[in-house]
Amino acid sequence: KAGVTQTPRYLIKTRGQQVTLSCSPISGHRSVSWYQQTPGQGLQFLFEYFSETQRNKGNFPGRFSGRQFSNSRSEMNVSTLELGDSALYLCASSLLPSLLSRTDTQYFGPGTRLTVL
Amino acid sequence: ILNVEQSPQSLHVQEGDSTNFTCSFPSSNFYALHWYRWETAKSPEALFVMTLNGDEKKKGRISATLNTKEGYSYLYIKGSQPEDSATYLCAFNDYKLSFGAGTTVTVRA
Repeated sequence: KAGVTQTPRYLIKTRGQQVTLSCSPISGHRSVSWYQQTPGQGLQFLFEYFSETQRNKGNFPGRFSGRQFSNSRSEMNVSTLELGDSALYLCASSLLPSLLSRTDTQYFGPGTRLTVL
Repeated sequence: ILNVEQSPQSLHVQEGDSTNFTCSFPSSNFYALHWYRWETAKSPEALFVMTLNGDEKKKGRISATLNTKEGYSYLYIKGSQPEDSATYLCAFNDYKLSFGAGTTVTVRA
């Protein structure tokens, strides 16, 4: 069974630009969560999607948004990039969202390394 | 903001030695605690999901215990090997995963 895939793996952008990251979950998984990791910080929860609906959201500004498609693939978008948005962005998939099952395991992708210059 | 703390931040272990480290989390409204192992240049890998007070889980040489009343979990590595070198993350599930900063284990041959 193929794991979670993320594209692109690396991205370089300049301040003010916008970026879209993609995540394809494990086949059969309907929930996708996004996380940000910056140097010195643990993984910070961005949002979770299930059945094309955002089910939960972390404490990030509105510049961070996402969506999920009918095939469960998800994208996240960051607009008006800032230097502080440079980070590793991870997505994780699970059968059910955390709101419905807090014991369901989330399986992580390899991440997209975003550098903002 | 949920406070999940892990200690120590890092540790060095000689090959063959055993080690353990801690994850602390709020003891109220506990539902589940997740442990992950994250090796450099790889994806975080799920180790355990723990739900009941007194739970003990084991996977090979790695095991974990859970105390929900006092809000902590221990992860143990028995007979450390170089391939155990990784960052070990715990995550408290309060309808989303709130991660600790991790404990980075380096096993010296």
